[in-house]
Amino acid sequence: EIVMTQSPATLSVSPGERATLSCRASQSVSSNLAWYQQKPGQAPRLLMYGASTRATGIPARFSGSGSGPEFTLTISSLQSEDFAVYYCQQYNNWPITFGQGTRLEIK
Amino acid sequence: QMQLQESGPGLVKPSETLSLTCTVSGGSISSSTYYWGWIRQPPGKGLEWIGSIYYNGNTYYNPSLNSRVTISADTSKNQFSLKLSSVTAADTAVYFCAVRSDGYNFLWYFDLWGRGTLVTVSS
Repeated sequence: EIVMTQSPATLSVSPGERATLSCRASQSVSSNLAWYQQKPGQAPRLLMYGASTRATGIPARFSGSGSGPEFTLTISSLQSEDFAVYYCQQYNNWPITFGQGTRLEIK
Repeated sequence: QMQLQESGPGLVKPSETLSLTCTVSGGSISSSTYYWGWIRQPPGKGLEWIGSIYYNGNTYYNPSLNSRVTISADTSKNQFSLKLSSVTAADTAVYFCAVRSDGYNFLWYFDLWGRGTLVTVSS
């Protein structure tokens, strides 16, 4: 099983600033990585797939990069609605695995 | 616009079998375009993939749950279901059904999710 490790566990950032979230796989997952955003009481929402492709309707301030074991999700200028928990997911190998999440909170 | 809706008992006794159904509208579970899955989230914790099913009936399970999980599809009702046997308190979670709705390369991420349903395991 591929273990996905996200860092940091909690990130405090001011609105308008940039946020950088990291996700590391225990072995290469090529570019088969997705990012999700989850707000309290809601289902996760797909943000990115293929490590760097924005899902439908996702604003351009969200960008993804990386391949192999190391990935980054960047939010260029944080809006109030961006404060949430973010998960990465690898789908290169069975079983599908998720990271433990990064909580993005308002500083 | 496809929609997914989970349904089933909100309370299950320890050692019994948890049974949930995901009803799909706006798309056919018989289509090779869609990749279906169940994911759960214990209260206050992260996401855990339980398993997935493809239109041809092929199933894929999380080895950590493999011996207790069965996922099946009912094409006549346009539903797919989850059964988890011998449940304990550790199986208390919000259970989500989800789909990749534009599948063409057998890569399993999920672009549409149900709202989720809380299942509590308690006597």
